[in-house]
Amino acid sequence: GENVEQHPSTLSVQEGDSAVIKCTYSDSASNYFPWYKQELGKGPQLIIDIRSNVGEKKDQRIAVTLNKTAKHFSLHITETQPEDSAVYFCAASLSGNTPLVFGKGTRLSVIA
Amino acid sequence: EAQVTQNPRYLITVTGKKLTVTCSQNMNHEYMSWYRQDPGLGLRQIYYSMNVEVTDKGDVPEGYKVSRKEKRNFPLILESPSPNQTSLYFCASSLSLGPGEKLFFGSGTQLSVL
Repeated sequence: GENVEQHPSTLSVQEGDSAVIKCTYSDSASNYFPWYKQELGKGPQLIIDIRSNVGEKKDQRIAVTLNKTAKHFSLHITETQPEDSAVYFCAASLSGNTPLVFGKGTRLSVIA
Repeated sequence: EAQVTQNPRYLITVTGKKLTVTCSQNMNHEYMSWYRQDPGLGLRQIYYSMNVEVTDKGDVPEGYKVSRKEKRNFPLILESPSPNQTSLYFCASSLSLGPGEKLFFGSGTQLSVL
């Protein structure tokens, strides 16, 4: 089955700097890659996603890139703010009736 | 308001005492799922359901049961809880199971088994 590796497990950045979280997946047939953000005391929420027919997607300060050949995808957050502090999960899924497989998460701390 | 509601939010119990964590969604979603979150292990899927009366094992189903008798409800049952089931549990739902479907998560249930 699919396996998703996520790095780093923790990340600290200064406010205003950029943050990058990377994930790799094992099954080349995976075609959907969402990112979820979990704030303290809450459940994860979808923040951005990308499909395998797209190389990059942007939404304001966040962007996701996908390299199908290398089987990795990344989350980029620019101009980080304290409210970006959270745990971020990447995930991957195959087509059809296959549940998402999540990475182990990255705890991002934005230091003011 | 569209939401996934879990109860209770916090639960402390003792080994062997049966418990149920309830999950309800008001979005008419077909797909529902349970996850447990442990430090360093991320989100691991326990069970999922693609529709009423259809349930499947996830990655860590041992020690858990589920049922899906109604579309909106998907309770998680621990028949004989053990300390290794101490964890943060999340219920989630989406319109269907398939790429591109946004998962909506509940607020979580922190379970401690003594």
